[in-house]
Amino acid sequence: GAGVSQSPRYKVTKRGQDVALRCDPISGHVSLYWYRQALGQGPEFLTYFNYEAQQDKSGLPNDRFSAERPEGSISTLTIQRTEQRDSAMYRCASSPEFNEKLFFGSGTQLSVL
Amino acid sequence: LAKTTQPISMDSYEGQEVNITCSHNNIATNDYITWYQQFPSQGPRFIIQGYKTKVTNEVASLFIPADRKSSTLSLPRVSLSDTAVYYCLVGEGYSSASKIIFGSGTRLSIRP
Repeated sequence: GAGVSQSPRYKVTKRGQDVALRCDPISGHVSLYWYRQALGQGPEFLTYFNYEAQQDKSGLPNDRFSAERPEGSISTLTIQRTEQRDSAMYRCASSPEFNEKLFFGSGTQLSVL
Repeated sequence: LAKTTQPISMDSYEGQEVNITCSHNNIATNDYITWYQQFPSQGPRFIIQGYKTKVTNEVASLFIPADRKSSTLSLPRVSLSDTAVYYCLVGEGYSSASKIIFGSGTRLSIRP
């Protein structure tokens, strides 16, 4: 596609449910980043991949959060046993090379009730 | 990772030049300086990147003094549509793979 695509655009779930957020980066982009952004705050780093390798997951809040990018393209961020505090905008970005400029998707707005 | 400090908010008027300064006292030799712009309800968008001296593109200019401990994003003749949050980032260059960290940014408000 022309840009980074994230789905779903909105996700409402009940506390305790698992959710999977998908990111389809720009074709050929090497690096893929996940961020979480609360209203009025800057994007908070979660994790990133170069190709299929997860390079850094130090930003994942706890072990309920995981991410994968098995074929070096599409990535999935999974949150298990969601809690209300997980509610936020989750943003994905890709870049053509290491530390090249990031191209962001429109994000997934997650609401945990 | 070098920490950055920038004003929380700034106000200006249409047609004015706006300069947003970012401090990064601990910048490393390999670090580049990158600025992003974020409109409400959108993801951040790359504006400009530089290593030293001055960089200019169709959107903005970036001024970096010799000691590289600060940088200034300059937006010429702003309009209402420049109202956004601007983030200054410092990180390693293209040859290195490292996480990209955003701070809180500067909330720029442009008035008629």
